[in-house]
Amino acid sequence: GAVVSQHPSRVICKSGTSVKIECRSLDFQATTMFWYRQFPKQSLMLMATSNEGSKATYEQGVEKDKFLINHASLTLSTLTVTSAHPEDSSFYICSARVQGAEAFFGQGTRLTVV
Amino acid sequence: AQTVTQSQPEMSVQEAETVTLSCTYDTSESNYYLFWYKQPPSRQMILVIRQEAYKQQNATENRFSVNFQKAAKSFSLKISDSQLGDTAMYFCAFMKLPRGQGAQKLVFGQGTRLTINP
Repeated sequence: GAVVSQHPSRVICKSGTSVKIECRSLDFQATTMFWYRQFPKQSLMLMATSNEGSKATYEQGVEKDKFLINHASLTLSTLTVTSAHPEDSSFYICSARVQGAEAFFGQGTRLTVV
Repeated sequence: AQTVTQSQPEMSVQEAETVTLSCTYDTSESNYYLFWYKQPPSRQMILVIRQEAYKQQNATENRFSVNFQKAAKSFSLKISDSQLGDTAMYFCAFMKLPRGQGAQKLVFGQGTRLTINP
């Protein structure tokens, strides 16, 4: 199957700083990528849909100025958590879809804000 | 809006037993996809099985099979001869058919934590 690589897998940052998470489609081009957030023992919550060459579409309740998404190429989307606070600590997952229905997921990033 | 409901937060069975995970959904769409995803302790999401709503035949993948009841909007997952490696969170998910160039998003259920005991 197609491979989606997410980096870093773990990151610890200080409160008030920004952190960038990368999501790459390694062997296919992805015009659309999705960013999810997952709290412990809970389901995946869609944060935004990232579209190559255009603005991301954010889900209701997600602060677009806090969670900046850039999809500058067909193989790379980035999520930047700006001015991070401890409540932003979570597990972030990206996914992309080749033509068809199956979505492929990155390995996830565990963000800890101290 | 579509919703997906998994009413079993946790389940536990003995190795080699058969277990069925429940999922119901709500939609006004007539054509769509349904999925079961597995999330082991590594937290990597893995596709278990997929069902297209227009297909009446239930999907099967080795030990995994589904019971798709379109009228009842039910989509249960049966795991036969369960193995220790099946221990994971299982998520049921719904997706509308893609339209044009746009990709549709997945709507996930709350998840069921399945433990296979030796």
